Amino acid sequence: DGGITQSPKYLFRKEGQNVTLSCEQNLNHDAMYWYRQDPGQGLRLIYYSQIVNDFQKGDIAEGYSVSREKKESFPLTVTSAQKNPTAFYLCASSIGAGNTEAFFGQGTRLTVV
Amino acid sequence: AQKITQTQPGMFVQEKEAVTLDCTYDTSDPSYGLFWYKQPSSGEMIFLIYQGSYDQQNATEGRYSLNFQKARKSANLVISASQLGDSAMYFCAMREARATMNYGGSQGNLIFGKGTKLSVKP
Repeated sequence: DGGITQSPKYLFRKEGQNVTLSCEQNLNHDAMYWYRQDPGQGLRLIYYSQIVNDFQKGDIAEGYSVSREKKESFPLTVTSAQKNPTAFYLCASSIGAGNTEAFFGQGTRLTVV
Repeated sequence: AQKITQTQPGMFVQEKEAVTLDCTYDTSDPSYGLFWYKQPSSGEMIFLIYQGSYDQQNATEGRYSLNFQKARKSANLVISASQLGDSAMYFCAMREARATMNYGGSQGNLIFGKGTKLSVKP
């Protein structure tokens, strides 16, 4: 079955530690995205990539980093510079950046302890 | 200024009745797409329906239809014959076509509203 897989589903991090969230897709999509969702809020764009080896900052990129070495994979690293990292993180992909829908993974809930 | 506004934080509807979830948007791009997503308590985002700015007819997809009023910049989601499984958060989103040619920021990407929590009562 084609789809987007995020792992882990739940993640706990100590303050000051970096942590990497995984996102893999087998839909052969060029574009991939990372969103952050806080309680009672919509989704806010962290980073996006329209093609392998290229990515762009979204609205709230500070404290985050990404890589896009393979078409299928777009991992997100939450660094210690992110002041308030506790949130729900959603990865998505789409065929391109045109008027096509994005398909989402199941999300990763990150909690800083 | 918000690009996507959903004014109803929460809505209740009786099972088997129809419900309308409001969405207004703001753009100067003549070409854009509007999307609705459903987010159940499990957290995944499920695509429901799409409306293009040049589409002449309102989009429909099973029990979902989109009441697209371009002059008013509104794209309300109508769910007919509500079911208990429809209880979830619903998000309206927009992608501006002109912005897809540019890099940087959120241009060319889905911009989401804050969502409406729908509760279906038996």
